[in-house]
Amino acid sequence: DSGVTQTPKHLITATGQRVTLRCSPRSGDLSVYWYQQSLDQGLQFLIQYYNGEERAKGNILERFSAQQFPDLHSELNLSSLELGDSALYFCASSVEGNNEKLFFGSGTQLSVL
Amino acid sequence: GENVGLHLPTLSVQEGDNSIINCAYSNSASDYFIWYKQESGKGPQFIIDIRSNMDKRQGQRVTVLLNKTVKHLSLQIAATQPGDSAVYFCAENMGGGSYIPTFGRGTSLIVHP
Repeated sequence: DSGVTQTPKHLITATGQRVTLRCSPRSGDLSVYWYQQSLDQGLQFLIQYYNGEERAKGNILERFSAQQFPDLHSELNLSSLELGDSALYFCASSVEGNNEKLFFGSGTQLSVL
Repeated sequence: GENVGLHLPTLSVQEGDNSIINCAYSNSASDYFIWYKQESGKGPQFIIDIRSNMDKRQGQRVTVLLNKTVKHLSLQIAATQPGDSAVYFCAENMGGGSYIPTFGRGTSLIVHP
């Protein structure tokens, strides 16, 4: 158990809908990362937060947004969902977000039908 | 992640053999490298890391070798066990203020009893 908690584990929704994925980092970790994993693209970095502030942005679509709350949990919001958004979404956390190992949650499997 | 690649998508070994998983990277400024293991249905799990000022690091049954001259990273697993069967990813932090791990596509390791 990595100590990173993601909910829900599975999510099935329809095109055009909006969903929210939730992540609780390991106790004491200040930085949260979101990754998308699909069969054809591998693990793609989406966005990083550190202590409530956005620190780095990757290949995140404008339809997607995230935030980190004062209690350090994070949410990833996906809107106007398309079939191609179906993927595993992972949250990871680290202590300071600087050149250190990440601890990953078990992921949320999103299926857009 | 297209600059972090793996030579072999699938590696099959017999239980008890040593396994070597290779990874090429193209960014000479990368200064931190991490190996992760991902079992089916789980998130990536940290195995071992190495910084660019080292060329070898050992853990329990695992060794990571870094050759900066040819920009090559390898993970050696000694006395491979069926429980080692998983997908292995190398990831690099590209330096220059970027602390976001960029993942390669992964190698599937299959250990036959």
